[in-house]
Amino acid sequence: GENVEQHPSTLSVQEGDSAVIKCTYSDSASNYFPWYKQELGKGPQLIIDIRSNVGEKKDQRIAVTLNKTAKHFSLHITETQPEDSAVYFCAAGNFGNEKLTFGTGTRLTIIP
Amino acid sequence: DTGVSQNPRHKITKRGQNVTFRCDPISEHNRLYWYRQTLGQGPEFLTYFQNEAQLEKSRLLSDRFSAERPKGSFSTLEIQRTEQGDSAMYLCASSRVEKLFFGSGTQLSVL
Repeated sequence: GENVEQHPSTLSVQEGDSAVIKCTYSDSASNYFPWYKQELGKGPQLIIDIRSNVGEKKDQRIAVTLNKTAKHFSLHITETQPEDSAVYFCAAGNFGNEKLTFGTGTRLTIIP
Repeated sequence: DTGVSQNPRHKITKRGQNVTFRCDPISEHNRLYWYRQTLGQGPEFLTYFQNEAQLEKSRLLSDRFSAERPKGSFSTLEIQRTEQGDSAMYLCASSRVEKLFFGSGTQLSVL
């Protein structure tokens, strides 16, 4: 089955700086890679996703890059703000089947 | 669009008791998923439905667990003879195509 590894487990950045979270996956058949943000006491919230036919996708301050050959993908958050503080999860699966395999999460703290 | 709703938000039970959770998906979403999340980990897939049909179950789902979606709308997850290892957040999610939307979960504590 699929295995997703995520690094780092914790990340602290100064407000306004950029944050990068990296994930690797094992199953070359995976073609859908979403990122979720989870705040305390809430369920994961989808923030951005990418399919394997695209190398990069951007949505305002958030971008995701995918390297299919190396089987890794990354989340980039620019101009970080205090409200970006949360736990972020990467996931991998197959488009059209949302049986996702999640990483172990990154706790991001934005320092004012 | 009122989002995915889960009840109860918290459940404390004694070992050996049965518990049942309910999930109301986003209307018109034909797929419904159950995931389990333990502290410090990402969600783990348990099972999913397309309309009323349960299409896949994870090996994590022991025979003490049963899920239903009788009319293709809301779903229930029942755990019989709970064990301390069942303590976790149980998350429900729904989708129509591709994007998975999660509820806030039911936090189960087995004493």
